[in-house]
Amino acid sequence: KAGVTQTPRYLIKTRGQQVTLSCSPISGHRSVSWYQQTPGQGLQFLFEYFSETQRNKGNFPGRFSGRQFSNSRSEMNVSTLELGDSALYLCASSPGTVNQPQHFGDGTRLSIL
Amino acid sequence: AQKVTQAQTEISVVEKEDVTLDCVYETRDTTYYLFWYKQPPSGELVFLIRRNSFDEQNEISGRYSWNFQKSTSSFNFTITASQVVDSAVYFCALSENTDKLIFGTGTRLQVFP
Repeated sequence: KAGVTQTPRYLIKTRGQQVTLSCSPISGHRSVSWYQQTPGQGLQFLFEYFSETQRNKGNFPGRFSGRQFSNSRSEMNVSTLELGDSALYLCASSPGTVNQPQHFGDGTRLSIL
Repeated sequence: AQKVTQAQTEISVVEKEDVTLDCVYETRDTTYYLFWYKQPPSGELVFLIRRNSFDEQNEISGRYSWNFQKSTSSFNFTITASQVVDSAVYFCALSENTDKLIFGTGTRLQVFP
């Protein structure tokens, strides 16, 4: 069974640009969550999507947005990039009922110059 | 407020030593779940265990064991006879009936041959 796939693995952008990250969940999983990992703030929850609807949201500015498609694949978008957005962005999927173990992808490492 | 504290930033041991990673959590909910994840250098978070707030039984899986004590709000993780392959960052996490995981800051374990 294929795991969670995130693309691209690495990304370099400059301040002010926008970026879109992609996540394909494990087959059959309907919930996709996104996390940001930085040395200073650790692992922080961004948002969670279930059946194409945002079910939970963390404390991030509106520049961070996401969506989920009918096949459960998800994208995350960050607009007007700032230096502080440099991080490892992790996607996780789970079957959909809450509190199930989440399975993570390898992440997308985003660097802002 | 929900919070997970992993006071040990880094632990170094020699192979075959036993090591315990501490996790203390705070929550006002009576129903919650606790998790441990392992993050090797590749970056992917690997699920290790889930425990709900009503199940205080300790669990053993091979060289891994977990001790959950509601009285002290702790969910500690012990690796018996550590191996070099156990070297990683270990995260404890809490969820309160959502898929939003609240992570601790992690403990970096280095096992030397």
